[in-house]
Amino acid sequence: AQTVTQSQPEMSVQEAETVTLSCTYDTSESNYYLFWYKQPPSRQMILVIRQEAYKQQNATENRFSVNFQKAAKSFSLKISDSQLGDTAMYFCAFMKRGQGAQKLVFGQGTRLTINP
Amino acid sequence: EADIYQTPRYLVIGTGKKITLECSQTMGHDKMYWYQQDPGMELHLIHYSYGVNSTEKGDLSSESTVSRIRTEHFPLTLESARPSHTSQYLCASSEYSARASTDTQYFGPGTRLTVL
Repeated sequence: AQTVTQSQPEMSVQEAETVTLSCTYDTSESNYYLFWYKQPPSRQMILVIRQEAYKQQNATENRFSVNFQKAAKSFSLKISDSQLGDTAMYFCAFMKRGQGAQKLVFGQGTRLTINP
Repeated sequence: EADIYQTPRYLVIGTGKKITLECSQTMGHDKMYWYQQDPGMELHLIHYSYGVNSTEKGDLSSESTVSRIRTEHFPLTLESARPSHTSQYLCASSEYSARASTDTQYFGPGTRLTVL
């Protein structure tokens, strides 16, 4: 079974700063995907970024980027030039690659607060 | 992006009542999912579906049931609600994207259920 661990329950930074959220996972699978989802106080889960495990290049989406270390099973999220709208719960998630319905395994979440 | 709708958004109901949480998506996705999320906690998969007439139980045991008679509709039913069922229920759908080479789940806004 896969497990996902987010060791930072809460983080707080000033607007415009850079912040890094940590995520580690445990799996015996070789083909999988990793995701970061954001859940703002309105509570709709929004996809932030995704990474295919077979790709060595780290994914980036505007101000969001990841540091994917496959051997270490680490998948951190970096938010550059943080904005007030980035305040949310952030969940790291794992999905095995393959046929059929693919189940997401979530970490415990990190509550990120961006202060003005 | 998928359009996922959930109704009601909030529901307060007494013990013993039968309830149905509605979930629908307009993108024709084959796969749909139900997650349960307690406040400030990670999501746990309780049901999923590969397509019409296909339903499977997820990783977290649940007394709820689901049905998938139409592609766009995946309702969740509790025959007799109890206080232990108080939680947030999130619906998601997905379809494999060759362009993105991944199966990404998109979430609805959730239903917050309180059973008195």
